[in-house]
Amino acid sequence: KNQVEQSPQSLIILEGKNCTLQCNYTVSPFSNLRWYKQDTGRGPVSLTIMTFSENTKSNGRYTATLDADTKQSSLHITASQLSDSASYICVVSGTAGNKLTFGGGTRVLVKP
Amino acid sequence: DAMVIQNPRYQVTQFGKPVTLSCSQTLNHNVMYWYQQKSSQAPKLLFHYYDKDFNNEADTPDNFQSRRPNTSFCFLDIRSPGLGDAAMYLCATSRDLGEGERNEQFFGPGTRLTVL
Repeated sequence: KNQVEQSPQSLIILEGKNCTLQCNYTVSPFSNLRWYKQDTGRGPVSLTIMTFSENTKSNGRYTATLDADTKQSSLHITASQLSDSASYICVVSGTAGNKLTFGGGTRVLVKP
Repeated sequence: DAMVIQNPRYQVTQFGKPVTLSCSQTLNHNVMYWYQQKSSQAPKLLFHYYDKDFNNEADTPDNFQSRRPNTSFCFLDIRSPGLGDAAMYLCATSRDLGEGERNEQFFGPGTRLTVL
């Protein structure tokens, strides 16, 4: 069964600090992995998308890594800002159609 | 800006009273999706349209229907909403199906449905 597991479920960090979110998946065959940011009451917004051959991708203060061998990904947030408070969802796409397998998300709260 | 638009953003309906949620897109994408997302849970795919071809997920209740009258618009009809149908409903689009970045899904802002 295709699954995406994220950890931690939630975390609180102080403004200006860094944090790293983890994602493990069992989706096979694998097409790509995306990290989405979802603000409360809003739709998910794509941060990064990585295919099998990519092992790192950055979008401003967000840096995602992918290890396709161990089926792990991480999202690193540098110098966090209050606006980074949101849920971060790891989503993996298999090669059959475009069906996505969603992780449960990590809820991040940045405090001043 | 090209985008995915959902109306209304907030919808209140009564138990058993039919309700329709709307999604439109200016991306000219072939595929449109409807997801249900309950509080603190991952989005759950209900169905998608590839052009005019409707694809229902096996576990989507019959209470949920969809219409896509043209490329730009897609509607979610809930025939007899129950209390358990209260959720955020997300519309998404992608250029096509299959692998690769070109088929990334773009999400709308969602419609939050309350059932009284």
